[in-house]
Amino acid sequence: AQSVTQLGSHVSVSEGALVLLRCNYSSSVPPYLFWYVQYPNQGLQLLLKYTTGATLVKGINGFEAEFKKSETSFHLTKPSAHMSDAAEYFCAVSEELGGGADGLTFGKGTHLIIQP
Amino acid sequence: NAGVTQTPKFQVLKTGQSMTLQCAQDMNHEYMSWYRQDPGMGLRLIHYSVGAGITDQGEVPNGYNVSRSTTEDFPLRLLSAAPSQTSVYFCASKPTGMISYEQYFGPGTRLTVT
Repeated sequence: AQSVTQLGSHVSVSEGALVLLRCNYSSSVPPYLFWYVQYPNQGLQLLLKYTTGATLVKGINGFEAEFKKSETSFHLTKPSAHMSDAAEYFCAVSEELGGGADGLTFGKGTHLIIQP
Repeated sequence: NAGVTQTPKFQVLKTGQSMTLQCAQDMNHEYMSWYRQDPGMGLRLIHYSVGAGITDQGEVPNGYNVSRSTTEDFPLRLLSAAPSQTSVYFCASKPTGMISYEQYFGPGTRLTVT
């Protein structure tokens, strides 16, 4: 089974500072990796995903992530944090379940706090 | 398109009561799934379905029942609610057979079992 580890259940940064949310995965096959964001009392929204090709992936709201196979990492970054970025962020890896199905294995999430 | 819709948004149950969480999608997605979200645990897969008449268990299926009679709907049943089932439940959908495709999530149902 695959697993996802997100380092830091809470990350606090100042407005305008760099955001770095860490994600490491374990997978026996080439992974499909996702970052989702959850704003308070809402569902999950896709930020970006890595499937194949370019290892630096750009997403919505100025976020990007780099797939590093040698480090089994998929860290999420944003050059300059905004107050509206305060949310819960989940890293996930897609896993085949058999019978043509696949499911997501999620990390435990990182709560991003933006200090004014 | 409404996307993935879930009802109710909030529910309080007493231990032993039963209820059905509703999920519907209008994107003609074959794959639908249910997750539960608990603090510090991320989201965990309860049940999933690759099409009408086909369902299977995920990581945490105990205490939950599902059926899939149409492409659009995928209800989740709690037969006898327990406090351990207090959680936020999310329904999701995507096209089947496309592992690189993202899942689309509903807004969630917040369930409290007392």
